[in-house]
Amino acid sequence: EVQLVESGGGLVKSGGSLRLSCAASGFNFPYAWMTWVRQAPGKGLEWVGLIKSKTDGGTADSAAPVKGRFTISRDDSKNTVYLQLKSLKTDDTAVYFCATTQAFCGGDCYFGHWGQGALVAVSS
Amino acid sequence: QSVMTQPPSVSGAPGQRVIVSCTGSSSNIGAGYDVHWYQQLPGTAPKLLIYGNSNRPSGVPDRFSGSKSGSSASLAITGLQAKDEGDYYCQSYDIGLSGSVFGGGTKLTVL
Repeated sequence: EVQLVESGGGLVKSGGSLRLSCAASGFNFPYAWMTWVRQAPGKGLEWVGLIKSKTDGGTADSAAPVKGRFTISRDDSKNTVYLQLKSLKTDDTAVYFCATTQAFCGGDCYFGHWGQGALVAVSS
Repeated sequence: QSVMTQPPSVSGAPGQRVIVSCTGSSSNIGAGYDVHWYQQLPGTAPKLLIYGNSNRPSGVPDRFSGSKSGSSASLAITGLQAKDEGDYYCQSYDIGLSGSVFGGGTKLTVL
């Protein structure tokens, strides 16, 4: 059974940093592409970014609102993907979900399995 | 403001059929990218409902179906049940934004 468990959320002041972790199990993690999606309180879903498997280059891409501030990385030895959040703004307050993505999806990526999410609250 | 538009809400009585629309543009759905649908029940994480426009993952009832035409897509739910109440999101890829995008979401109410 695929399991994704996010951790590391919390309350942080504007301008601060935080690192979220997503521990994965139940599938061949080193070959998986992984995605982060966020949801502000009472709002819809917003794609944050994606990281490819190391065998497919290991590169990460992120959405314009977070580019240069958020970094996605992975540690295949720990079956874990990370989201480093820096220069946080109050608008970044959201639940952050990690999700599995099929490899080589190009522009047709979808997100098959989701974690329960981690809440990041940014105060002014 | 999402680049893909969904109605804020839809409703139907138990047993009825409802349609959730997702209208995009030539930079996403109209460019040929697939549309995927997610169901988010209250207080839970999203769940993949339809992928590749019309495919159901294992375990998703055939009451849920998807279609795509031109720059739009639709999710149909037949035999409405109370447990279907929640939010539904479409998702695709946008060339201009160089990334995945979600519709604004549609709240389904079962009367």
